[in-house]
Amino acid sequence: AQKVTQAQTEISVVEKEDVTLDCVYETRDTTYYLFWYKQPPSGELVFLIRRNSFDEQNEISGRYSWNFQKSTSSFNFTITASQVVDSAVYFCALSGSTQGGSEKLVFGKGTKLTVNP
Amino acid sequence: DAGVTQSPTHLIKTRGQHVTLRCSPISGHKSVSWYQQVLGQGPQFIFQYYEKEERGRGNFPDRFSARQFPNYSSELNVNALLLGDSALYLCASSYGTGGYNEQFFGPGTRLTVL
Repeated sequence: AQKVTQAQTEISVVEKEDVTLDCVYETRDTTYYLFWYKQPPSGELVFLIRRNSFDEQNEISGRYSWNFQKSTSSFNFTITASQVVDSAVYFCALSGSTQGGSEKLVFGKGTKLTVNP
Repeated sequence: DAGVTQSPTHLIKTRGQHVTLRCSPISGHKSVSWYQQVLGQGPQFIFQYYEKEERGRGNFPDRFSARQFPNYSSELNVNALLLGDSALYLCASSYGTGGYNEQFFGPGTRLTVL
């Protein structure tokens, strides 16, 4: 069975601080895909990144960076110099290759990030 | 380009009633997935349809059903509503199927069952 654990329920930081959101996953698939989504108060999930299981390169996009480590089954997300607009709930999600071709995403419970001015 | 659209935005029903939620995918997308998000939790997968065929089903009772139309829009139906069905229902579309596609989510339909 697939499982995603986001141990941090809520995080509160002051603007310009760096913050890391943790994600640990479980899967028996050898090929799988990891995602991060942002959910602002409006409710719509916004795609941030997708990572394939066979690509462990870290990625940086502006103030966002992601650290994928298969050895520890983790896919952590760091926001550098946080801003108030980063306040949202962030979800880590997993999909696998043994789903009969389906697009099923397994989500963690999310981490609510509050960035205070 | 228009994103994924869902209707209605909000809905209030009473226990035992039936509800139909609608979703229009991004133009060119052939896959639609439905998720239920209970307050304070992550979204839970309900169904996926690709080219009008069911490609995946989550752990939900038979009261939940869905279908996809020739224009790739989709409906989610829930019968005999229970209080526990109160949630945000999210629709997501993608071009293909197979687990690696980026899924684009709509704004959701918030269902309240009284």
